[in-house]
Amino acid sequence: SQQGEEDPQALSIQEGENATMNCSYKTSINNLQWYRQNSGRGLVHLILIRSNEREKHSGRLRVTLDTSKKSSSLLITASRAADTASYFCATADTGANSKLTFGKGITLSVRP
Amino acid sequence: GAVVSQHPSWVICKSGTSVKIECRSLDFQATTMFWYRQFPKQSLMLMATSNEGSKATYEQGVEKDKFLINHASLTLSTLTVTSAHPEDSSFYICSAPTGADLSYEQYFGPGTRLTVT
Repeated sequence: SQQGEEDPQALSIQEGENATMNCSYKTSINNLQWYRQNSGRGLVHLILIRSNEREKHSGRLRVTLDTSKKSSSLLITASRAADTASYFCATADTGANSKLTFGKGITLSVRP
Repeated sequence: GAVVSQHPSWVICKSGTSVKIECRSLDFQATTMFWYRQFPKQSLMLMATSNEGSKATYEQGVEKDKFLINHASLTLSTLTVTSAHPEDSSFYICSAPTGADLSYEQYFGPGTRLTVT
């Protein structure tokens, strides 16, 4: 069953602008991850944030996690045309060896 | 980073035939692999967990006799779609965690596009 719900479903921005994507979930989690998928390809892991973390950075990516609101955001700064892709959040429930549950995804288009 | 490959990348088959998809971890060993199915512009749906040397664990609603999974070695899992029908047409993706904890980062294969005519 799906857990993460991203919004917006689609986002179109100009190159150089920042892109913010949000994810909400329903249960208690061990960690939350963001993945990118280029059209017709597999997923690429971007960043993982643990339930006891509030913010994490990786290059142009910034992820926040608010466990009280059961939500996360992914910020891509200074976007590039190459960032055009679908972005998925995935949650791992608490408990050992929990499997990932993916949201529906956000389609990001960055116009050159 | 770790690399997972899939073969073939796309396949077209006739209704009633069987198709085998391979998933390989190229530079690490994977005792566990996951098989997902993805419809156009939709999320990934976990089909089954493939376990090396033992039976796969299927998610609710997934027919184990239709989607046969074999994980014969630490680097290879196969998914066979038996007696394929047009409704089985989809994008199939495998993944493998690199750590002991399955809930952490997964490495995905590039996917296999199956079209059943």
